[in-house]
Amino acid sequence: GENVEQHPSTLSVQEGDSAVIKCTYSDSASNYFPWYKQELGKRPQLIIDIRSNVGEKKDQRIAVTLNKTAKHFSLHITETQPEDSAVYFCAASGTGNQFYFGTGTSLTVIP
Amino acid sequence: GAVVSQHPSRVICKSGTSVKIECRSLDFQATTMFWYRQFPKQSLMLMATSNEGSKATYEQGVEKDKFLINHASLTLSTLTVTSAHPEDSSFYICSASGQVNTEAFFGQGTRLTVV
Repeated sequence: GENVEQHPSTLSVQEGDSAVIKCTYSDSASNYFPWYKQELGKRPQLIIDIRSNVGEKKDQRIAVTLNKTAKHFSLHITETQPEDSAVYFCAASGTGNQFYFGTGTSLTVIP
Repeated sequence: GAVVSQHPSRVICKSGTSVKIECRSLDFQATTMFWYRQFPKQSLMLMATSNEGSKATYEQGVEKDKFLINHASLTLSTLTVTSAHPEDSSFYICSASGQVNTEAFFGQGTRLTVV
């Protein structure tokens, strides 16, 4: 199956700074890449997603970029706020419609 | 977003018994449901993918006979942990998707403790 790697595993930033999380995938057939945010004790929630026919997508302070050739995609959070603190997971999905998740990044925004 | 309900949220069972976990899509038809296992401070490990009316596809290393998955309708999938052992204690979470390669919505998860 697909192998998704995610870095870094932990990330601390000062409030107002930007945070970047990177993921790579192995299956060139993967064509859907969602990002989920999981707050402590809660279920993962989709925050943004991108499809393979798009290179970049932005939603307010959150953006995702995709490089199909290199098989990597990144999450960018600008003007971070304490409520952005959570665990973020990237995922890749392809023809089998199976979602494979990265190992997660624990983001801490320091006020 | 769509709602996925998972039940029970917490269960304690004795070693050797079986436990069934239900995952329901409340307001949409879930053609595909996924079952994950999550260890503390770790990622979601895909256990199996189930499509309504067909056998589940298990990931490598996941025992089919131990983790029985049934997806009998477009709104319900069940995971049965058979002959549970303490090492099966974990957080199990399901997700459901209505269409291929679209957002998957998560249930609230089930904390299983085997004593």
